[in-house]
Amino acid sequence: EVQLLESGGGLVQPGGSLRLSCAASGFTFNTYAMTWVRQAPGKGLEWVSTISGSGSNTYFADSVKGRFTISRDNSKNTLHLQMNNLRAEDTAVYYCAKGDTVTENWFGPWGQGTLVTVSS
Amino acid sequence: SYDLTQPPSVSVSPGQTAIITCSGHKLGDKYSYWYQQKPGQSPVLVIYEDIRRPSGISERLSGSNSGNTATLTISGTQAMDEADYYCQAWDSNTAVFGGGTRLTV
Repeated sequence: EVQLLESGGGLVQPGGSLRLSCAASGFTFNTYAMTWVRQAPGKGLEWVSTISGSGSNTYFADSVKGRFTISRDNSKNTLHLQMNNLRAEDTAVYYCAKGDTVTENWFGPWGQGTLVTVSS
Repeated sequence: SYDLTQPPSVSVSPGQTAIITCSGHKLGDKYSYWYQQKPGQSPVLVIYEDIRRPSGISERLSGSNSGNTATLTISGTQAMDEADYYCQAWDSNTAVFGGGTRLTV
């Protein structure tokens, strides 16, 4: 059974940094793309970033490009999202999701999410 | 940037067919995906590559995609289908979600 467990969320001041992690199990991690999707309170889903199985290809939404970095440690089956220069509008629940072996494809299953709050 | 447009809400009586649309420029040339999100829960993939259902998803859910519109159809709608539904597609190395449709049964 695929399991995804996010961690690292919390309260951070504007301009601050935070590193999210997603521990994966139940599948051959290095074979599949992984994605971060966020959801602001009461709002819809917003794609944040995707990384290929090998980690060699990364993709970012314009809203986070240059501020967020996605990475993965295939030896530890862990996905990361480094978030710098955080803004109030980055406040959201951040979900990690397993993708397909092809990067531009579906997202699923999803983790339970971790809440990031950017506020002074 | 690429946009996907969904109706904010759809209402259906139990047992009837619910149709949720997702519109985008030449969407039919891309794969469409659909996610179901119930209150307080994480999203669940319900349709991928326009028409395919993941294992465990009810046969009452079906998808199609042609021209500028992808469609999620839920036949024999039940109370358990009440949820937010999001379409998604890829364009120029960017994943895009529709704004979501709240299905009320």
